[in-house]
Amino acid sequence: EADIYQTPRYLVIGTGKKITLECSQTMGHDKMYWYQQDPGMELHLIHYSYGVNSTEKGDLSSESTVSRIRTEHFPLTLESARPSHTSQYLCASSVYNEQFFGPGTRLTVL
Amino acid sequence: GNSVTQMEGPVTLSEEAFLTINCTYTATGYPSLFWYVQYPGEGLQLLLKATKADDKGSNKGFEATYRKETTSFHLEKGSVQVSDSAVYFCMNTGFQKLVFGTGTRLLVSP
Repeated sequence: EADIYQTPRYLVIGTGKKITLECSQTMGHDKMYWYQQDPGMELHLIHYSYGVNSTEKGDLSSESTVSRIRTEHFPLTLESARPSHTSQYLCASSVYNEQFFGPGTRLTVL
Repeated sequence: GNSVTQMEGPVTLSEEAFLTINCTYTATGYPSLFWYVQYPGEGLQLLLKATKADDKGSNKGFEATYRKETTSFHLEKGSVQVSDSAVYFCMNTGFQKLVFGTGTRLLVSP
């Protein structure tokens, strides 16, 4: 069974705080992705990685950063959260183009 | 480049009605095509896939046929249930670039 985990599931924080959204997978997949999902449901790719020490920006400009020090771990960091960062964040890993998604983190910045 | 066009929702049906959600694509190369489903409060799950022309993907009563001549991958189900209420995403891959459609919300009433 595919296992990909995201924590926290829900986060409410104040403006200016630094936060890290965690994503881990136990499948040994090299490719991992972060998506931002707006209230209208559309998915926007914000970061991806094809392996350890590889990170790239996606199609949607984002003020977040990512790191990939270990295959199983792909955290996303916001240095200074703003209300415009309020959204649902989905992490995924893939093999042979099939994507496996985590449950998502719903972030609210006040 | 790759693109996906999905019909806009919401699609509202009564239980046991026939479902079609249209998806057309453009792609360079030989893409694989996928349908994902997102239930409320969850991440996306793979529903079905097709990797080459004329392939039919099927799962849980849903079907979609990869039609190269019409560049389509329409999702169908003969008799929907209330539990099928969710958001459905079509996805296209080609030359390693993954492209999601904007999502179609399905609402099934008893």
